[in-house]
Amino acid sequence: AQKITQTQPGMFVQEKEAVTLDCTYDTSDQSYGLFWYKQPSSGEMIFLIYQGSYDEQNATEGRYSLNFQKARKSANLVISASQLGDSAMYFCAMRELNSGNTPLVFGKGTRLSVIA
Amino acid sequence: NAGVMQNPRHLVRRRGQEARLRCSPMKGHSHVYWYRQLPEEGLKFMVYLQKENIIDESGMPKERFSAEFPKEGPSILRIQQVVRGDSAAYFCASSPPNLRSNEKLFFGSGTQLSVL
Repeated sequence: AQKITQTQPGMFVQEKEAVTLDCTYDTSDQSYGLFWYKQPSSGEMIFLIYQGSYDEQNATEGRYSLNFQKARKSANLVISASQLGDSAMYFCAMRELNSGNTPLVFGKGTRLSVIA
Repeated sequence: NAGVMQNPRHLVRRRGQEARLRCSPMKGHSHVYWYRQLPEEGLKFMVYLQKENIIDESGMPKERFSAEFPKEGPSILRIQQVVRGDSAAYFCASSPPNLRSNEKLFFGSGTQLSVL
C-alpha cells in the first residue's frame, strides 16, 4: 500500500511567490515523523524540515513551513518567497516510530520549477 | 567532519558484470540504509544494516543483490550479473544508533549506475 502520496508530478511558481507542495500519508501508528527533502539537479538529498506526529505546532525552518493536518493525514510543504534556486525535486517522507529504527518511506516527488 | 561518502559517483557496467557500490557513513554513525532511485521516481528502500548485521532487507531483490557492512571499512552494495533494469541512482544514508524520533537521515551524493 502506498504510504506517501504526492499528487503533483510538477509545479510552476513565479519567483517571489509562495507555493504549496502536497503530501498525504497513510499509517496506523500513532507515533511517526514526517520529513521533506529537496533534490536539486546535482542529485544530493537535502533535508528541509521535520514534523512529529505529536507536535502541536506546525514546523517552520526559514522560508519553509509545514501545514500539518493530522486528521486529514496531510503534511504539505509551503515555500514562501520562491527563489530560482528552489527549482528542484521535492520529496515527502515518513518514518513510523513504534517499531524502532524503521527506514524512511518516500513519495514519488514533485518537480518544482521557479520562473523568473 | 565529512558527511556520508559514496563512491564511485558514476559507474558504468556491461550486462552480466558485477557492480560494487561503497558507502562510508558519517563519523559516529553505525547504521546504514541503502535506497534506489529510478528516473523520475522517489527513493525506494532496499536494506538497513548496522555493523556486521543486516537489520531489515525487505526492499532487496531476492536475487543478485547483496549488502554488507563489515566491522572495518565501508558498507558495500553488490549487484551481480547486472541487467539494464538495474540502471538507477543508489543512495546511502547513515544514522547513529538509537535513532531519535526527529533524527533525519544524512544522505550521500549517490552512485549513478548505468548498465550498457
